[in-house]
Amino acid sequence: SQKIEQNSEALNIQEGKTATLTCNYTNYSPAYLQWYRQDPGRGPVFLLLIRENEKEKRKERLKVTFDTTLKQSLFHITASQPADSATYLCALGSGSARQLTFGSGTQLTVLP
Amino acid sequence: NAGVTQTPKFQVLKTGQSMTLQCAQDMNHNSMYWYRQDPGMGLRLIYYSASEGTTDKGEVPNGYNVSRLNKREFSLRLESAAPSQTSVYFCASRAGYGANVLTFGAGSRLTVL
Repeated sequence: SQKIEQNSEALNIQEGKTATLTCNYTNYSPAYLQWYRQDPGRGPVFLLLIRENEKEKRKERLKVTFDTTLKQSLFHITASQPADSATYLCALGSGSARQLTFGSGTQLTVLP
Repeated sequence: NAGVTQTPKFQVLKTGQSMTLQCAQDMNHNSMYWYRQDPGMGLRLIYYSASEGTTDKGEVPNGYNVSRLNKREFSLRLESAAPSQTSVYFCASRAGYGANVLTFGAGSRLTVL
């Protein structure tokens, strides 16, 4: 069955450093991969999408890579800030949105 | 810009009680979804509605029913609540085009005693 693993449940980094979050998957060939941000007591908010034929996507301080050979996506936040502290979810999809499979998330804390 | 609105935000039930979670979106989206989120697990799809008048089961539908009342509203009903249904429930919607990006509500935290 499909399995998604996000590198660790919690990641602490110092302000100004680059945060790197990992999303690994098995038994799946997704057509695209999404990253969402979730703050405590709130619903996930979409950040970035990358398709299987794309290697890298950027949006402001965010960068996502997608390696279909390694079955891995990396999510980078450069020049991290305490306001970036949240849980980040990856989601893999193929076809319709009902086929999205979510990881359990990585809780990022950026220390001032 | 309300987006997706869920009510109630918190609810405590006793085993065997019933309740309905309400969800409404004002973005004219075609598709709507109900997920549950449990600690250490990813969001799991309970039911979805691809368009007004249609509903279909997701990954974990047992113990739930849904109603797509109109294009805006999609409700989730627990007929006889069980402790295993203690969870945070999220409603989401998606436009009928584009890259399957979901817009989520703020969630409803349900505790079944």
